[in-house]
Amino acid sequence: GENVEQHPSTLSVQEGDSAVIKCTYSDSASNYFPWYKQELGKRPQLIIDIRSNVGEKKDQRIAVTLNKTAKHFSLHITETQPEDSAVYFCAATFGGTASKLTFGTGTRLQVTL
Amino acid sequence: NAGVTQTPKFRILKIGQSMTLQCTQDMNHNYMYWYRQDPGMGLKLIYYSVGAGITDKGEVPNGYNVSRSTTEDFPLRLELAAPSQTSVYFCASSYAGEGYEQYFGPGTRLTVT
Repeated sequence: GENVEQHPSTLSVQEGDSAVIKCTYSDSASNYFPWYKQELGKRPQLIIDIRSNVGEKKDQRIAVTLNKTAKHFSLHITETQPEDSAVYFCAATFGGTASKLTFGTGTRLQVTL
Repeated sequence: NAGVTQTPKFRILKIGQSMTLQCTQDMNHNYMYWYRQDPGMGLKLIYYSVGAGITDKGEVPNGYNVSRSTTEDFPLRLELAAPSQTSVYFCASSYAGEGYEQYFGPGTRLTVT
């Protein structure tokens, strides 16, 4: 089945620095790659997504890049703030129309003052 | 709109007991999903539904059952609870398939002892 690997598992950055989280996927048919943010004790919430026909997408301080040939995609957060501290999950679809998501194991981002 | 709601928030079960986790969405979404999240891990798909009367297995369906008699409701049934089913369970919904955001409920924290 589909496999998504995510690195690193923990990441600590100083406020104002950038953070990068990387994911690789196994199914070359995957076409949709969302990123979710989960604060402690809360539900996952979508922060940005990218489709396979796009190489990069940006939303204010958050950007995602996709390399379909290498089957990897990355989340970039610039000018990090304490409220960015959370667990971030990448995901990839498989199985066609049902939009079944396979999630990575998560990255715990800690932004220190 | 309330979005996706789940009940109960917390539950402790004894080994061998059964229970139903409730999930309701008021966004008129066609697709609904059940995930489990073990500590420090990503989300794994248990079952999903692409419309009323249609359900299918995800990655980890053993020990669970679902039904989808209405568009709004997607209950998850645990039969003969086991300690391995201790987890946080999230229900999610989306308007359609690939490329559409999945909206998550607040989760149910289940402990089996």
